[in-house]
Amino acid sequence: DSGVTQTPKHLITATGQRVTLRCSPRSGDLSVYWYQQSLDQGLQFLIQYYNGEERAKGNILERFSAQQFPDLHSELNLSSLELGDSALYFCASSVGFKETQYFGPGTRLLVL
Amino acid sequence: EDQVTQSPEALRLQEGESSSLNCSYTVSGLRGLFWYRQDPGKGPEFLFTLYSAGEEKEKERLKATLTKKESFLHITAPKPEDSATYLCAVQAMVIETSGSRLTFGEGTQLTVNP
Repeated sequence: DSGVTQTPKHLITATGQRVTLRCSPRSGDLSVYWYQQSLDQGLQFLIQYYNGEERAKGNILERFSAQQFPDLHSELNLSSLELGDSALYFCASSVGFKETQYFGPGTRLLVL
Repeated sequence: EDQVTQSPEALRLQEGESSSLNCSYTVSGLRGLFWYRQDPGKGPEFLFTLYSAGEEKEKERLKATLTKKESFLHITAPKPEDSATYLCAVQAMVIETSGSRLTFGEGTQLTVNP
């Protein structure tokens, strides 16, 4: 158990819908990262927040957005969902903005 | 653009048969190289961080090494419970915002047969 929690574990929704994934970092960690893992693309970095501020961005689609709240939990919002958005979404956290990242158990999203 | 290539894609070993996994990388300003283990449907589990060429780290049957262009994960006398996908990632800094990002390889799927 890494100490990073993610909810929900599974999510099934339809195309065009919007969902919110939630992540609570390890106690004391200030950075939160979001990754997408699909069968054909491996683990892809989406975005990093450090103490509420966006610090790094990967190939995150405009339909996706994230934020980190004052209590340091983070949410990833996915809108106008497409079939291709079906994937495992992982959250990771680290103490600062460059230390080892510890991953949560993931949210499996299925878009039908 | 940062790139990480892992080989082989899949590796099947007999219990006790030692071997090595390779991770070659190109990154501007390497901040660190990370090894993770991932079981099916689970989140990656941290194994090692290497920061400079020549550095080595060990944990049980695993040993990670780093050169300027590649890293190796050596598995000595593996057991069936070592079966998993092993992921390599490089960390690069985003200087303008003091951020960081990991770029992952596709992984090596290891199967250890009893």
